[in-house]
Amino acid sequence: AQSVTQLDSQVPVFEEAPVELRCNYSSSVSVYLFWYVQYPNQGLQLLLKYLSGSTLVKGINGFEAEFNKSQTSFHLRKPSVHISDTAEYFCAAFFNQAGTALIFGKGTTLSVSS
Amino acid sequence: NAGVTQTPKFRVLKTGQSMTLLCAQDMNHEYMYWYRQDPGMGLRLIHYSVGEGTTAKGEVPDGYNVSRLKKQNFLLGLESAAPSQTSVYFCASSYSFGRLANYGYTFGSGTRLTVV
Repeated sequence: AQSVTQLDSQVPVFEEAPVELRCNYSSSVSVYLFWYVQYPNQGLQLLLKYLSGSTLVKGINGFEAEFNKSQTSFHLRKPSVHISDTAEYFCAAFFNQAGTALIFGKGTTLSVSS
Repeated sequence: NAGVTQTPKFRVLKTGQSMTLLCAQDMNHEYMYWYRQDPGMGLRLIHYSVGEGTTAKGEVPDGYNVSRLKKQNFLLGLESAAPSQTSVYFCASSYSFGRLANYGYTFGSGTRLTVV
């Protein structure tokens, strides 16, 4: 079955430090990849997505992600985090051959402290 | 710009009671979904619909039923609530396959359900 794996359940960092949240997906002929962010007690909003083309994707709030087909990864990065980036982050994939719904990872909680 | 609206936002049920969660979207999306979110489990798909009058089971459908009588509404029913159904429920909608990837999902703000 198709799957999305987020390798870290919690990532604590200090303010202004860089951060990487890791995501791997099960191999597929074609895949669309997404990162969503969920702030406390809110719904999910789209950070960025990879459909095709350039493997480096830029999103909102200074985040970016790199698609690596050989390693089946789509890691999310930010060079300098803020307290306001504290949230839960979800990686999701749409496997073109496999159905009509996004498959989500289990989430990574990013905690930024001063 | 309402997007996806879920009602109610909070609910406490006693074991065995029934209830219906309503999801409404005003974006003319073809697809609609119900997910549940539990700590450490991410979002798990309960049921989804690819069009008016059609529904399908997701990963965790047991104990839930759904209906999509109108394109803009997707109802999730719990016939006999159990404590294991305590969760946060999210509705989402999207365009159909050809445009789903370009736009992704639009999520509602969630319903926090506690079954005691």
